[in-house]
Amino acid sequence: AQKVTQAQTEISVVEKEDVTLDCVYETRDTTYYLFWYKQPPSGELVFLIRRNSFDEQNEISGRYSWNFQKSTSSFNFTITASQVVDSAVYFCALRGSNTGNQFYFGTGTSLTVIP
Amino acid sequence: ETGVTQSPTHLIKTRGQQVTLRCSSQSGHNTVSWYQQALGQGPQFIFQYYREEENGRGNFPPRFSGLQFPNYSSELNVNALELDDSALYLCASSLGGTSVPYEQYFGPGTRLTVT
Repeated sequence: AQKVTQAQTEISVVEKEDVTLDCVYETRDTTYYLFWYKQPPSGELVFLIRRNSFDEQNEISGRYSWNFQKSTSSFNFTITASQVVDSAVYFCALRGSNTGNQFYFGTGTSLTVIP
Repeated sequence: ETGVTQSPTHLIKTRGQQVTLRCSSQSGHNTVSWYQQALGQGPQFIFQYYREEENGRGNFPPRFSGLQFPNYSSELNVNALELDDSALYLCASSLGGTSVPYEQYFGPGTRLTVT
């Protein structure tokens, strides 16, 4: 079975604080792909990153960084020096190699950055 | 480069009616996926079309059907609408035809309300 768990439903931080959004996944596939998407109030999901299961190298893009750990089945997302524009719902998603092209999304974490 | 567009933006239907939602994929993309996103939930995969053929389906009943046209635009049809069909319907386009999933680019969605 494929499953993505985002245990943090809502998070509030003050601007310039760092924040980490957790994502835990379950899959029996040996090859799989993980994604993060941002959904601002306008509703359109915005692609942030894709990570392949065979590449555990962490990635940094500006204020965003991702920590992929296969040992704990986690793919956490950190925003450094948060800004009000980061306020959105963030989704983690999983696509296995044997799931007929289906993407499995978590329930999302709503981040509010307070000025 | 034109992004993913969806129409209509909002729609109100009565239980038992039928509805057709439309999606134009991003230029150069040959794959379209449809998702249902209930309020406060993550997107749920309905199905995917690749080169006019259904290429994967989630756990949705047959009254959810689709089409993809030669220009790769797509339609989602829902028959015999139920109150629980009220949701945001998202279309996502991507490149397909390989074992490695490309990132999906989402449209702004159609908000369907069934009364």
